[in-house]
Amino acid sequence: NAGVTQTPKFQVLKTGQSMTLQCAQDMNHNSMYWYRQDPGMGLRLIYYSASEGTTDKGEVPNGYNVSRLNKREFSLRLESAAPSQTSVYFCASSEGTSGSEYFGPGTRLTVT
Amino acid sequence: GESVGLHLPTLSVQEGDNSIINCAYSNSASDYFIWYKQESGKGPQFIIDIRSNMDKRQGQRVTVLLNKTVKHLSLQIAATQPGDSAVYFCAETPLSKLIFGTGTRLQVFP
Repeated sequence: NAGVTQTPKFQVLKTGQSMTLQCAQDMNHNSMYWYRQDPGMGLRLIYYSASEGTTDKGEVPNGYNVSRLNKREFSLRLESAAPSQTSVYFCASSEGTSGSEYFGPGTRLTVT
Repeated sequence: GESVGLHLPTLSVQEGDNSIINCAYSNSASDYFIWYKQESGKGPQFIIDIRSNMDKRQGQRVTVLLNKTVKHLSLQIAATQPGDSAVYFCAETPLSKLIFGTGTRLQVFP
């Protein structure tokens, strides 16, 4: 039981490049989330998926898109990366939207 | 290592002492609260939770206290150990989504 896994662990992009961050969970959770974490800002919700087939915007969705590929997988895409998107990105999952969330190890993204 | 939390408030305690980490939450509609621990380079890890119909909940070496009147949450760690060194976040759930506080860094010295 791996919990929540994320790939890649580290990534460096040039401004304007695109990439997709992958996330998978093996806990049969219904809800999945993408957060970004910046120094002194705590975690901020980018997008979430309450259940398979649904996605909704969080607090900071601009510049991102998501896909809930199936119950296990939830990907985050940056279509045209900007230096302001330099951050650590965490994926999380939970049984429902009101329960405790389990986090992956994070992806450290640098945009130059 | 992780550079998150460069400007976080810091609590320094001696090994063996009790630690109290405080959190003010913002939304009176929040009915569920969680404390997370985040070690350097890792994702947040669930510690303990409490629902709004409770004032106190105890776990192993940890206690969470909730004061809804003043919208205040605290995490008490008994007999603090070096392995407790981390950043601690409280989270509240207005509208069924978690909202995280900015965190407190706990440093444990011998």
